[in-house]
Amino acid sequence: GESVGLHLPTLSVQEGDNSIINCAYSNSASDYFIWYKQESGKGPQFIIDIRSNMDKRQGQRVTVLLNKTVKHLSLQIAATQPGDSAVYFCAENLRGSNYKLTFGKGTLLTVNP
Amino acid sequence: DSGVTQTPKHLITATGQRVTLRCSPRSGDLSVYWYQQSLDQGLQFLIQYYNGEERAKGNILERFSAQQFPDLHSELNLSSLELGDSALYFCASSVGRGGAVDTQYFGPGTRLTVL
Repeated sequence: GESVGLHLPTLSVQEGDNSIINCAYSNSASDYFIWYKQESGKGPQFIIDIRSNMDKRQGQRVTVLLNKTVKHLSLQIAATQPGDSAVYFCAENLRGSNYKLTFGKGTLLTVNP
Repeated sequence: DSGVTQTPKHLITATGQRVTLRCSPRSGDLSVYWYQQSLDQGLQFLIQYYNGEERAKGNILERFSAQQFPDLHSELNLSSLELGDSALYFCASSVGRGGAVDTQYFGPGTRLTVL
């Protein structure tokens, strides 16, 4: 089975609100985590990544938080826009696994205008 | 646009047939990865090549094979196709720095439909 899973399969927010997408992982040996965004009909698009020696990393309007104690990863999107509507995947790399990523099933984010 | 290109965009074929999917990585990237995305299995890693050599293998069926050529483009060959092989097939590439994980950038995918 997969070691990466998502708490919420769907999330609906109002434009301008902040969004939080959660992800749980079960393998404490994972050392690298990535968030991807996939719009309909397109390939996954890299958003942000974080290594296991970090707790937080910020990008443009996005923040990833890593809680290794409870094996939890979250993606925060500030001031969510309609263009943020997509499926968001978290993925993990197991240390020593030669870079093959294990993906969660994804969360569908819908932004209402 | 990630810089990774895949052809064809769509492919419709019959059971028992064989198809070849093609991927060109981003300029400068040495690693190529293949993934299968289906509704029931999500995004599954199939195989990785680095500078022409197989580096890692995932849930790839024996009916499937891949290779990376000297110009670094890669092909995924799917044979004896079954209805269940219908899926989106993505290629991703990365710089492939030795000993470190690096970001994978995905292509637009090939949608395979097996009738």
